[in-house]
Amino acid sequence: GDSVTQMEGPVTLSEEAFLTINCTYTATGYPSLFWYVQYPGEGLQLLLKATKADDKGSNKGFEATYRKETTSFHLEKGSVQVSDSAVYFCALSDTNTGNQFYFGTGTSLTVIP
Amino acid sequence: DARVTQTPRDKVTEMGQEVTMRCQPILGHNTVFWYRQTMKQGLELLAYFRNRAPLDDSGMPKDRFSAEMPDATLATLKIQPSEPRDSAVYFCASGLSSGGPPGELFFGEGSRLTVL
Repeated sequence: GDSVTQMEGPVTLSEEAFLTINCTYTATGYPSLFWYVQYPGEGLQLLLKATKADDKGSNKGFEATYRKETTSFHLEKGSVQVSDSAVYFCALSDTNTGNQFYFGTGTSLTVIP
Repeated sequence: DARVTQTPRDKVTEMGQEVTMRCQPILGHNTVFWYRQTMKQGLELLAYFRNRAPLDDSGMPKDRFSAEMPDATLATLKIQPSEPRDSAVYFCASGLSSGGPPGELFFGEGSRLTVL
């Protein structure tokens, strides 16, 4: 079945450091891929998405490229800020599996000044 | 400002009591998902609906959990009787589907349940 595997945390970085959070997926069809972010005490909110191979999603300085050949959708940011401290979830949706959304386990990021 | 509204935000109850959580999806959205979040299991899908019809509730313990959509503006998740292991944050999310998956899910702020 479909699934998402993302790198385990927690991740602690200094401000302005480069961020990569790895995400790989397994899907039977042609999924759409997402990164969601959850700030403390809040629900998840969409950070970026890509709907087909080679698409790049970007938002707020974050980027991720849909790589079909490596079944990956790694999240990157060139220079993190303290305000980026949150939990990041990789997710996919796939029409072949009843239109569900599958979420990874989440990666906690803490950025220290 | 369209948003998913969940009530209650926090609930503390005793084992054996009935708990009902409510969700108002964004107006016009036709898909509603219920998730449970714990440190141990992460995000677990409990149930989802499209056009008020349940499409999948296989993630839900059937003996004590039930999910319904009495109308398009209200989704409910009920636990009866509640147990300490049900302690978690329960999220509702809604989206717009035109046959396939929603293009995006919008999450509520969650209902934090503590069962003593």
